[in-house]
Amino acid sequence: GAVVSQHPSRVICKSGTSVKIECRSLDFQATTMFWYRQFPKQSLMLMATSNEGSKATYEQGVEKDKFLINHASLTLSTLTVTSAHPEDSSFYICSARGSGGAYNEQFFGPGTRLTVL
Amino acid sequence: SQQGEEDPQALSIQEGENATMNCSYKTSINNLQWYRQNSGRGLVHLILIRSNEREKHSGRLRVTLDTSKKSSSLLITASRAADTASYFCAGETSGSRLTFGEGTQLTVNP
Repeated sequence: GAVVSQHPSRVICKSGTSVKIECRSLDFQATTMFWYRQFPKQSLMLMATSNEGSKATYEQGVEKDKFLINHASLTLSTLTVTSAHPEDSSFYICSARGSGGAYNEQFFGPGTRLTVL
Repeated sequence: SQQGEEDPQALSIQEGENATMNCSYKTSINNLQWYRQNSGRGLVHLILIRSNEREKHSGRLRVTLDTSKKSSSLLITASRAADTASYFCAGETSGSRLTFGEGTQLTVNP
């Protein structure tokens, strides 16, 4: 299957700082990328959907000014957690989807564990 | 909540036994997918069953889908210790949005 990478895999930051997480599709063009959040021992919750070159669509209850998403190219989407607080500590997972053929399904990245002190 | 439900939440079996996990969802879906997640890792896509399909096989995996009951099941036959992981179902709706179930933690004891 296709490969999606995330960077960094793990980040620890102080409360009040901003953290950027990158999601890259390595061998296909991702017209749509999705960002999920997963708290310990819980399921994945969709945060937002981003299409290349357009604004992200956020799920109900997700603050768009706090979780900034930029999908500037067909292989890269970034999620910036602004003014992070301890309650933002979580496992953030992205997925990427192409526009047809073998890449029509979602391929998931390995996740980024964010710890806010 | 749009989350689906899965049962059991936790399942512990011996190697060689079969493991069955169930999933229920709330809205109409285009397809239902099953994923596996090892602790602290990303998701691995296992199998997809379309809304017009009732059963699908892939290796040791068998998936059923009952759209009238809005439910699905995943059967893993002849389980191995390496099958130990969390298993999630996810229903795909418009815009390729996935809504995940709560997951089943499977432990296969050697």
